[in-house]
Amino acid sequence: SQQGEEDPQALSIQEGENATMNCSYKTSINNLQWYRQNSGRGLVHLILIRSNEREKHSGRLRVTLDTSKKSSSLLITASRAADTASYFCAARRDDKIIFGKGTRLHILP
Amino acid sequence: ETGVTQTPRHLVMGMTNKKSLKCEQHLGHNAMYWYKQSAKKPLELMFVYNFKEQTENNSVPSRFSPECPNSSHLFLHLHTLQPEDSALYLCASSQEEGIKAFFGQGTRLTVV
Repeated sequence: SQQGEEDPQALSIQEGENATMNCSYKTSINNLQWYRQNSGRGLVHLILIRSNEREKHSGRLRVTLDTSKKSSSLLITASRAADTASYFCAARRDDKIIFGKGTRLHILP
Repeated sequence: ETGVTQTPRHLVMGMTNKKSLKCEQHLGHNAMYWYKQSAKKPLELMFVYNFKEQTENNSVPSRFSPECPNSSHLFLHLHTLQPEDSALYLCASSQEEGIKAFFGQGTRLTVV
C-alpha cells in the first residue's frame, strides 16, 4: 500500500526561487528518504532523515520531519534548471521502502 | 551511474512471449529490489531479496517470476504478460533493507 503521498503533484517556479514539497505518510516509520527522478530514468537518492531527527541539510536541500503530524518537507533553495525532475518521498516501514506518487517540479528559465 | 545496471533498457514483447530482465550490482549490497512504475501511480514494490533470500513478494501475479542466483544479480522472468503490465521496471539495491537504495536506469517494457 502507498506509504508516502507528496503534495503538490506538480510545481512550477522561476529559476532562483525556492521549491517546497511536502510528504505525508500513514504509519510509523524508521526513516524517510527523498529521491529524484529525471524523466524515464532511475531514481537517485537525495537525503535520508531518521525518525528521531527533525531537520537535515545537504547542500541546497533541507528536509524536515514531524513524526507527530506524520509529515516531511523537502526544500530546494536557489533552484536551477537542472533541478527539473520528479521528487519522491519514501518511507521505510518494516525494512521495506514504500514510495509516494511524486511531485513533478519544473524550473522555469 | 549508480552502480546498478539493468538490461535491456527497452523491451517490446507479445503476450505469449517469455523474456527476462536482468539487474546487476557490484556495490557489495545485500538487498535487491524490483519496482514497477506505471504512469500516474506510485512506485510499486514487487519483490525484495536480502542475502539472496526472498523476503517480500508484494502480491505480484505469478506471470512475474524473480530469481536471485547470487547477491550481485537479480532477474525478473516474464511470461504471458498483459498489456497493463507495460511499465518501467526498476531494480534497486541497498546495503541493508530499507536504507538508501541505488536504482538502475530501468527497463521500459511494452506488452503488445
